[in-house]
Amino acid sequence: SQQGEEDPQALSIQEGENATMNCSYKTSINNLQWYRQNSGRGLVHLILIRSNEREKHSGRLRVTLDTSKKSSSLLITASRAADTASYFCATALPSGAGSYQLTFGKGTKLSVIP
Amino acid sequence: DAEITQSPRHKITETGRQVTLACHQTWNHNNMFWYRQDLGHGLRLIHYSYGVQDTNKGEVSDGYSVSRSNTEDLPLTLESAASSQTSVYFCASSAGTSGRNEQFFGPGTRLTVL
Repeated sequence: SQQGEEDPQALSIQEGENATMNCSYKTSINNLQWYRQNSGRGLVHLILIRSNEREKHSGRLRVTLDTSKKSSSLLITASRAADTASYFCATALPSGAGSYQLTFGKGTKLSVIP
Repeated sequence: DAEITQSPRHKITETGRQVTLACHQTWNHNNMFWYRQDLGHGLRLIHYSYGVQDTNKGEVSDGYSVSRSNTEDLPLTLESAASSQTSVYFCASSAGTSGRNEQFFGPGTRLTVL
């Protein structure tokens, strides 16, 4: 079963607007990560937020984590056409002997209209 | 600059043939991963390795194998290709020893099994 689920599945906004994507998960995590994937390309890491952190910023990106609700959000401020991509959350789950695996959601497809 | 490369980028093969996809990283990372990406499923973990001579099965490992003889390479072999293995395959690597850090992805290999 899917550990992380992004919402919405697709989002279309005008350039300059803010975009918010959400991720919900089911079990306790070590950290949660957000990745971006441009069409036909590999995934690119955006931000990692640890389970004891509540908010993190990187440029125009803001990530929040609420472990009590098992949810995270990714906010992209002042969006640009170049932000058009799919965005994935990934949760780091223990896989035994001190090791972890990343489990990815199905992604939110963001379209930013110029 | 360090990078992770995959070859070939595109491959068409026939049912029943053995296929090997190459993954090479120059990050000197301990951890390497293989994922497949299909519409409606997001990324699913096939196999992973936390170091030389270490390999582990992921969520969808049936029909696939890997071997890790050095730090830089983790080839993925499809023993007898099936049409259900038509997909886009991504290799990734990460630093550390636990697998919970950010992952760096290759550009992907699009495999078609006829």
